[in-house]
Amino acid sequence: SAVISQKPSRDICQRGTSLTIQCQVDSQVTMMFWYRQQPGQSLTLIATANQGSEATYESGFVIDKFPISRPNLTFSTLTVSNMSPEDSSIYLCSVRPGPIYNEQFFGPGTRLTVL
Amino acid sequence: GQQVMQIPQYQHVQEGEDFTTYCNSSTTLSNIQWYKQRPGGHPVFLIQLVKSGEVKKQKRLTFQFGEAKKNSSLHITATQTTDVGTYFCAGNSGYSTLTFGKGTMLLVSP
Repeated sequence: SAVISQKPSRDICQRGTSLTIQCQVDSQVTMMFWYRQQPGQSLTLIATANQGSEATYESGFVIDKFPISRPNLTFSTLTVSNMSPEDSSIYLCSVRPGPIYNEQFFGPGTRLTVL
Repeated sequence: GQQVMQIPQYQHVQEGEDFTTYCNSSTTLSNIQWYKQRPGGHPVFLIQLVKSGEVKKQKRLTFQFGEAKKNSSLHITATQTTDVGTYFCAGNSGYSTLTFGKGTMLLVSP
């Protein structure tokens, strides 16, 4: 298993500003993902954070809006840039520890409100 | 792209009643996973099914993977209030990213 922490746990931000969310894992993991979840909704994959290279973004998400860093195998950041109220959501970091089992572990999430 | 449909969207049962949620994929899956998300919490991995026709049990929970590896179900026998939450299925093909269903919210009244 993997223990994941996220910072901040919640934030209220003004329109037009940016917020960087940090994800720390207690062990080295192969794959790391960032999801968005609206209250009461399913999980939408934003991107796969690749160690040492550019993130792989899903359709509808772009690097300029959601820049991602992954400097090593235990840490990643997601920035939500030039925020608007539509960006209000829960952002979840998730990891898939190894190549054998596909199970994913999720962080506690960051609840973002944009005014 | 791959789509995973899940029904029902919501179910409210009395404690002791059974509950089933169904998951259907538009494509053949390599495996399917089930997650539970308690209110205010994050998704927690329950189980992974890999083989065609596979059935796995975890206490009162029974998971099935269809013969064609395109559908799955989760059945809870004699629900308890601790079963409250949203149950998501998630499938992938090969080593691709997971596609989550929309989830089934289960409410259990004592």
